[in-house]
Amino acid sequence: DGGITQSPKYLFRKEGQNVTLSCEQNLNHDAMYWYRQDPGQGLRLIYYSQIVNDFQKGDIAEGYSVSREKKESFPLTVTSAQKNPTAFYLCASSWAERFNQPQHFGDGTRLSIL
Amino acid sequence: AQTVTQSQPEMSVQEAETVTLSCTYDTSESDYYLFWYKQPPSRQMILVIRQEAYKQQNATENRFSVNFQKAAKSFSLKISDSQLGDAAMYFCAYRRYTGTASKLTFGTGTRLQVTL
Repeated sequence: DGGITQSPKYLFRKEGQNVTLSCEQNLNHDAMYWYRQDPGQGLRLIYYSQIVNDFQKGDIAEGYSVSREKKESFPLTVTSAQKNPTAFYLCASSWAERFNQPQHFGDGTRLSIL
Repeated sequence: AQTVTQSQPEMSVQEAETVTLSCTYDTSESDYYLFWYKQPPSRQMILVIRQEAYKQQNATENRFSVNFQKAAKSFSLKISDSQLGDAAMYFCAYRRYTGTASKLTFGTGTRLQVTL
């Protein structure tokens, strides 16, 4: 079945540590996105990528970094510069030019501070 | 910048009854897409229904329908014959029609409880 796989499901970060969240899709979608969800809030866009080797900052990119070396993969690194990383992170993908098509989401990764 | 507002943090409905969730948005564009997503306790985001702004007819998907009022910038979701499985967070989302940034802008969500 086609879909989006996020791993790990739960992740713990120590102070000063960088951690990487994985996102893989086999839907052949061009565009991929990372969102952050805090309790009682909607999703906020961190980074997005329309094509391989290109990505754009979203609304809350500070303290995060991404790469897009393959169409299927869009990993997110939460750096030590992100002072409040505890949140639920969702990855999504979609067709870049078919704007009426919805974004498909993974099951998310919950990141906590040790 | 576009903004999406959901003014009802929580709603409750009895099983088999009908409930309407509100959503308003602000945009200067004339063409765009609107979506309702459902997030159950499993936290997965599930598309419920979508609406193209250039279509006057309100979208319908089984028990789910929308009331799209373009001039008022309103996009409410009606759930008929509510079921226990409808209990979830519901998010309204906006998407531009064209351009390089086809990202979604989400509201803060409405938590729907379904009671017996």
